[in-house]
Amino acid sequence: DIVMTQSPESLAVSLGERATINCKSSQSVLYSSNNKNYLAWFQQKPGQPPKLLIYWASTRESGVPDRFSGSGSGTDFTLTISSLQAEDVAVYYCQQYYAAPITFGQGTRLEIK
Amino acid sequence: QVQLQESGPGLVKPSQTLSLTCTVSGGSISSGDYYWTWIRQTPGKGLEWIGYIYHSGTTYYNPSLKSRVTISVDTSKNQFSLKLSSVTDADTAIYYCARAGGQYLPPLYWGQGTLVTVSS
Repeated sequence: DIVMTQSPESLAVSLGERATINCKSSQSVLYSSNNKNYLAWFQQKPGQPPKLLIYWASTRESGVPDRFSGSGSGTDFTLTISSLQAEDVAVYYCQQYYAAPITFGQGTRLEIK
Repeated sequence: QVQLQESGPGLVKPSQTLSLTCTVSGGSISSGDYYWTWIRQTPGKGLEWIGYIYHSGTTYYNPSLKSRVTISVDTSKNQFSLKLSSVTDADTAIYYCARAGGQYLPPLYWGQGTLVTVSS
């Protein structure tokens, strides 16, 4: 199985400041034939299912605010929230869908400082 | 917009079989290139992908659960189901059904989840 490791486990950021979450995969999730990274980011708020924010490592899902961005390739990826809003408090997960079984990171809890 | 809703017993005894159903509304389970997925979440192991089924009946299961899992589809009822046999307290989790837009795409639509507790 591909192991996804996120850092940090928790993060406190002031409103309006930048938040950065990292995700590392135990093997590359870049498919060379189409040059796509099979990496997604999800946001989960209490009592709700995960919400898809980003796929192909950097493509925002429709309706996701543009303060959310994804970057990286191969084994190292980053989710950035450019200006933290109160409604962004949540747990964030990365997920690889390059190879079955699909696997998730352990989550990063984002709070307001 | 497609919606998914899990249903089933919230309490299952150890060694018995957990059975859940996901009812899909707002679209036919038979149409499109969608993979109907089960995922569970526990405080200890986090999010764990259980497996998926295509409307043709093709399935793929997480090898860690494969010996105990069956996912099936009932196109006449627009539902798909999960059975997990020989449960232990480690199977206590929130179970989600979801729809992925393809075999190699992440799930976009999720049910609200249902808590299943394994206890005598």
